[in-house]
Amino acid sequence: AQSVTQPDIHITVSEGASLELRCNYSYGATPYLFWYVQSPGQGLQLLLKYFSGDTLVQGIKGFEAEFKRSQSSFNLRKPSVHWSDAAEYFCAVGGRKISGGYNKLIFGAGTRLAVHP
Amino acid sequence: DVKVTQSSRYLVKRTGEKVFLECVQDMDHENMFWYRQDPGLGLRLIYFSYDVKMKEKGDIPEGYSVSREKKERFSLILESASTNQTSMYLCASSSGFSNQPQHFGDGTRLSIL
Repeated sequence: AQSVTQPDIHITVSEGASLELRCNYSYGATPYLFWYVQSPGQGLQLLLKYFSGDTLVQGIKGFEAEFKRSQSSFNLRKPSVHWSDAAEYFCAVGGRKISGGYNKLIFGAGTRLAVHP
Repeated sequence: DVKVTQSSRYLVKRTGEKVFLECVQDMDHENMFWYRQDPGLGLRLIYFSYDVKMKEKGDIPEGYSVSREKKERFSLILESASTNQTSMYLCASSSGFSNQPQHFGDGTRLSIL
């Protein structure tokens, strides 16, 4: 079965500290992987995406993620967290087209990040 | 930039009412989606559409219907609202290529009293 697991429901870090958010997936084919961020009361904003090639991908707001096929993981990292990074983060996996070009995304349950000053 | 606009940020309705949630995208995307988001459950797909007048059920379609009469607009309809449909509803769109991300609106927080 296709699934995405984000093991950490809540994470708290101090401002300026490094951050790693974990994401593990189960997907039968070559996956397309995404990280989204959601600020309170807002929709989801795309941080970065992985389709192929270099397994370390750079995104917006200073985030990066590394695809590790052997571990079925796509962890999100940031070297120095800012207070404005406090939000909820969602990992998602998708793949080949299904009917009519629709690429179904499967989302993890999210990790809520709090940042202490 | 892709712009996905949901007609209401907050909506309060009564049990049994017929409720319409509207979504418009400005990027000529083929695919449009409706999700609901509940704490601890992440995003769950209600319905999606891959072309005008085409729709398919997602994971939780019960109690909902959709309409796509124009490419840019995708409506979610709660035929007879119930309290368990109180939730955050998110609309998204994407191009027809399988490796393209979905772009989301700001959401509608719907309360059914």
